[in-house]
Amino acid sequence: GAVVSQHPSWVICKSGTSVKIECRSLDFQATTMFWYRQFPKQSLMLMATSNEGSKATYEQGVEKDKFLINHASLTLSTLTVTSAHPEDSSFYICSASIPTGGVQPQHFGDGTRLSIL
Amino acid sequence: GQNIDQPTEMTATEGAIVQINCTYQTSGFNGLFWYQQHAGEAPTFLSYNVLDGLEEKGRFSSFLSRSKGYSYLLLKELQMKDSASYLCAVRDGGNTPLVFGKGTRLSVIA
Repeated sequence: GAVVSQHPSWVICKSGTSVKIECRSLDFQATTMFWYRQFPKQSLMLMATSNEGSKATYEQGVEKDKFLINHASLTLSTLTVTSAHPEDSSFYICSASIPTGGVQPQHFGDGTRLSIL
Repeated sequence: GQNIDQPTEMTATEGAIVQINCTYQTSGFNGLFWYQQHAGEAPTFLSYNVLDGLEEKGRFSSFLSRSKGYSYLLLKELQMKDSASYLCAVRDGGNTPLVFGKGTRLSVIA
């Protein structure tokens, strides 16, 4: 069954709108979650690492004031795309690993397809 | 820096076997992972290797040689539904995020 839940699946909105995407870990606590972005026919690019109770760590070139990350609980991280523009249209995917020790794969949410008109 | 290379596209015949190669150069190593991604969907985990050798999971097997910085994913008894992108990803330490290659788009033909 699903390990990570992401919502919403699709968002279509006007330019200038802010959009919030939620990522939840199911049946486990995730102190760390990861946010990726994927443009058509390209690979997944890490945007930021979301840390519960502290500031997110952003990758080089990702604007922290535009992509706000909040990880206020051990099962929920949110990504808010502020004042979205057409160039922000992409597939946004979150992931987390089950903290049971040893090497664990990252499990991905179903992704959010964001289309800015 | 980190560099992960895999072929862009491959085509194989239904019922056949296909091997997708991946080479990597990373500052550290804590596992190599293979994911399958169908068009428009999120990646799903297939297999991982931490130690050298072959890991087998049903029709899918993955091999790792850490000294060579090389892995491959082997798909047997190919089915049409196996047409997808296959992503090679490396974790360079601890619970650091996976770094993904660009993916190999596999087309299975009749």
